[in-house]
Amino acid sequence: GAGVSQSPRYKVAKRGQDVALRCDPISGHVSLFWYQQALGQGPEFLTYFQNEAQLDKSGLPSDRFFAERPEGSVSTLKIQRTQQEDSAVYLCASSTGQTLGLDTQYFGPGTRLTVL
Amino acid sequence: AQKITQTQPGMFVQEKEAVTLDCTYDTSDPSYGLFWYKQPSSGEMIFLIYQGSYDQQNATEGRYSLNFQKARKSANLVISASQLGDSAMYFCAMREVQDDYKLSFGAGTTVTVRA
Repeated sequence: GAGVSQSPRYKVAKRGQDVALRCDPISGHVSLFWYQQALGQGPEFLTYFQNEAQLDKSGLPSDRFFAERPEGSVSTLKIQRTQQEDSAVYLCASSTGQTLGLDTQYFGPGTRLTVL
Repeated sequence: AQKITQTQPGMFVQEKEAVTLDCTYDTSDPSYGLFWYKQPSSGEMIFLIYQGSYDQQNATEGRYSLNFQKARKSANLVISASQLGDSAMYFCAMREVQDDYKLSFGAGTTVTVRA
């Protein structure tokens, strides 16, 4: 079956522009996650959805970052008034949402955002 | 405090040899899971192997095995019979019961397999 897909794969924005990054999770996956990966580092958690509910947004770096999943499937991460420090790879992951034991998160290919 | 520590930024290994990637973790939760992911240059994170904190046996998955030493809080990944396609970044990650969804990642280890 299809894995997690993300679009666009690459995005170049001028400082101050707004951007929207899209994630299509694996069909039927309840949980959806966004991570930010700076160059040469491990991913850092941004936010988590269970169906359409955003249960944790503690990792969002500022109020310029906003995520939504209105119908419990596709999710969009929006960054307003982009800054150079927002340059990173944004990874989306989904999982079945079981709360005990193994609940593997499957990742998409990421969106590489470059802010000039 | 860092929850996951990977002390080897880069490693070289000869094709067909085994390589061990170190990972230590820090948690006070009695229940947690440890994961290893592979990230090739294409960028996608590929799940390799999982070890639960209550699992009695070390996890194995094909050429991947996890050397789980609970008392030392280490979860080293062993890749046997290395192949050129194993060249990638490898990340150790942990999920704790207190945050029973988010993964905490280490900084990663780059593995380069030489022919």
